[in-house]
Amino acid sequence: SQTIHQWPATLVQPVGSPLSLECTVEGTSNPNLYWYRQAAGRGLQLLFYSVGIGQISSEVPQNLSASRPQDRQFILSSKKLLLSDSGFYLCAWGGDAGANVLTFGAGSRLTVL
Amino acid sequence: TQLLEQSPQFLSIQEGENLTVYCNSSSVFSSLQWYRQEPGEGPVLLVTVVTGGEVKKLKRLTFQFGDARKDSSLHITAAQPGDTGLYLCAGPFRGSARQLTFGSGTQLTVLP
Repeated sequence: SQTIHQWPATLVQPVGSPLSLECTVEGTSNPNLYWYRQAAGRGLQLLFYSVGIGQISSEVPQNLSASRPQDRQFILSSKKLLLSDSGFYLCAWGGDAGANVLTFGAGSRLTVL
Repeated sequence: TQLLEQSPQFLSIQEGENLTVYCNSSSVFSSLQWYRQEPGEGPVLLVTVVTGGEVKKLKRLTFQFGDARKDSSLHITAAQPGDTGLYLCAGPFRGSARQLTFGSGTQLTVLP
């Protein structure tokens, strides 16, 4: 069965520091991978998605970047965090093309102080 | 821009009561999904509706897709504290097979 892992689960970082959130998927190959951000108790904002190694699409211009160095690895990064980067970051993988069904990781809560 | 609007934003009810939450759009969606999210976790898919007018049941949860495929509702019968969570609807973004756009969610609290 397919599983998705995110880490770290919780992160507190000062303004201006770098960020790296990692996501890995097991049990599937060539998945579509996604990074979403969620404000407290609210809907999800799509940040990046990837259909393959090295292929990244950005939906929202911002202080963040994403990379996909391996088929089942998706990384969210920042060189210098802003206060507004605080939030709950969710990685997800999509099933068969056209299915539009997402399986989410447990999320990474980032607090920027 | 395709927007999914959910209502109510917050709902607090007593155990045993019935409730309905709504997901509306001015755009037509080829399908809509409902997810439930518990605090500190990722959303989990509950159901996908595809056909206009479709009704799907999942135990005490009934999901309906509007005839025009612009709206959907979730009805919970005899709510239980375990139903507490954030309910999110989602649909294909710009008709894409790869992207979903999410509503802002309904935060449901069922009190014992």
